[in-house]
This record gives sequence, structure tokens and C-alpha cells, in this order.
Amino acid sequence: GENVEQHPSTLSVQEGDSAVIKCTYSDSASNYFPWYKQELGKRPQLIIDIRSNVGEKKDQRIAVTLNKTAKHFSLHITETQPEDSAVYFCAASTQAGKSTFGDGTTLTVKP
Amino acid sequence: GAVVSQHPSWVICKSGTSVKIECRSLDFQATTMFWYRQFPKQSLMLMATSNEGSKATYEQGVEKDKFLINHASLTLSTLTVTSAHPEDSSFYICSARDRGGRRTGELFFGEGSRLTVL
Repeated sequence: GENVEQHPSTLSVQEGDSAVIKCTYSDSASNYFPWYKQELGKRPQLIIDIRSNVGEKKDQRIAVTLNKTAKHFSLHITETQPEDSAVYFCAASTQAGKSTFGDGTTLTVKP
Repeated sequence: GAVVSQHPSWVICKSGTSVKIECRSLDFQATTMFWYRQFPKQSLMLMATSNEGSKATYEQGVEKDKFLINHASLTLSTLTVTSAHPEDSSFYICSARDRGGRRTGELFFGEGSRLTVL
């Protein structure tokens, strides 16, 4: 089955700096790669996603890149703010919607 | 956007009792729903895939007789934790795909249910 690895497990940055989280996947059949932000006790919220036919996608301060050949994708957050502090999960999904999640990255943005 | 509602949001029960959690898609039809379990500071672990009108597909290591899943309609799936024990205490989350949606693969999550077994 699919195996998703996510790094780093924790990330601390100063407000205004950039944050980068990286994931690798193993199943070449995965074609949809969402990123979720989860606050304590809440449901995961989709913040950005990318499909396998696209190499990069940007939405304001958030961007995602995908390298299908190398089977890795990354989340980039620029101009970080304290409210960006949360746990971020990457996932790799198949056409059927079955998702495998990374282990998560706890991002702390220091004011 | 598509909305998934999960109920109850939290429940406390005694060891040995059964607890039912509901997952509803409010404004779309979901032929497939997914159930996850999330322990503190850990990732979401897929427990089973719930298919409308057929048996659920369980992930390896998940006891189907302990975690009963019923998906009787296109908008409702239920997870029943039978004979719950303290080690079953966790955050249970469901998700659903929009059957008619154009965004293939996108999942919509319920609010989650925190189960505490005393």
C-alpha cells in the first residue's frame, strides 16, 4: 500500500519567515495530494491541494510543489504569522479517494 | 462547499458499553465514507472504508467485529464501537467524497468525535 513520509516533525520559525514541509510517497497510482491544517481537537482543514498533472500551485502565502518523478511534494508558507501555528498533514490519495496521511508537522510561529 | 456533520462531538462511556457515532453528508451524496482514528499527537489512521449498500472494507489490524460500520444511505454512515475499553479512547473522524463533485479525490471531514472510555 501507500506509504507517506513527512518531515520535519516539528518546525519553529520566527514570524515573517518562511516554512517548508516536505513529503514523499511510494505509490505511483496516487494522483491527488492535499495539505491539511489541524488545530487541537478540530477537524483537518484543507488549505491547498495539487493534482498529479500540475507541478506547482499557489494561493496567496501558501504554495505546493509536486515532483512526480521523485515522488515528493512540499508545502511552502511565506510571511508566516502566529495564527499559522498548528499541525500540518500531507496526504496522498488515489482516484478512489483513499488517503494516506503523513505523520504531521507541528509548526510554531514565534511572534 | 460540501458539509459533513458528525455526532456526537464527544462522548464518555463506561467500559464494556457500546457507542455509536454518526457521520452525515448534509448537502451531497456520499457513496464512500472513510473512518479514521487519531490518538493524541499522532496522525489520522484509516480504519475502514464505508461503502453505501455493501460491507465496509477494514484496514489491516482493525477488528471488524469491534468497530461495526453501517452505510445504509447515501448520506449516513455509522461507526459503533462495541464493548468499548479504555484503550479505545481516541478522536474518531469521518470523511466523505462528493459523489457528484468534480474535484476527484477531495475529502470533506466531519468535526470529529472524542471518545473517552472510563
